[in-house]
Amino acid sequence: SAVISQKPSRDICQRGTSLTIQCQVDSQVTMMFWYRQQPGQSLTLIATANQGSEATYESGFVIDKFPISRPNLTFSTLTVSNMSPEDSSIYLCSVYSEKLFFGSGTQLSVL
Amino acid sequence: SQQGEEDPQALSIQEGENATMNCSYKTSINNLQWYRQNSGRGLVHLILIRSNEREKHSGRLRVTLDTSKKSSSLLITASRAADTASYFCAPLPGGSYIPTFGRGTSLIVHP
Repeated sequence: SAVISQKPSRDICQRGTSLTIQCQVDSQVTMMFWYRQQPGQSLTLIATANQGSEATYESGFVIDKFPISRPNLTFSTLTVSNMSPEDSSIYLCSVYSEKLFFGSGTQLSVL
Repeated sequence: SQQGEEDPQALSIQEGENATMNCSYKTSINNLQWYRQNSGRGLVHLILIRSNEREKHSGRLRVTLDTSKKSSSLLITASRAADTASYFCAPLPGGSYIPTFGRGTSLIVHP
């Protein structure tokens, strides 16, 4: 199993600013995943964060908008850049070890 | 990648009743997992059923899998108000390492 600490749990941000979300895992994991869940929608995979290499982004997501860092095997950050109200969502980090373990989520509201 | 499609989208029952949620998917899978999400927070893994299994139990949860019909069901018996949450199925296709999610079933259990 894995325990993931994600912060902040929620934030309200102004349009045009950026927010960095952090996830800390209690064990070393090869891959970490970042998801977005828009209101009333399913989880959409943003990217896979690999240690020592650039993140792999899914279709519709780009590095300039969602830069990801993965400095070691227990930590990752996702930045939501130049935010607009359409970025208001829950952002979730997770790790996979036969099943997915999730952080508690970051509820982001952009005004 | 494929995602599961849950049915119904919403389910409202009284405490003590059973709740049944269904999931359909499109291609062959290694396993299928069910997750629960409370109030837009992080998802919690409930149960995993492998492609060679037909039924699995965990406490008040019963999951079935019919690979010929590409469908699964989650039964919660003797429901409680604390079971109120969204439930997601996540089929894991062969050759993939990351499950994907549908929109989920929103379950409300009235005390």
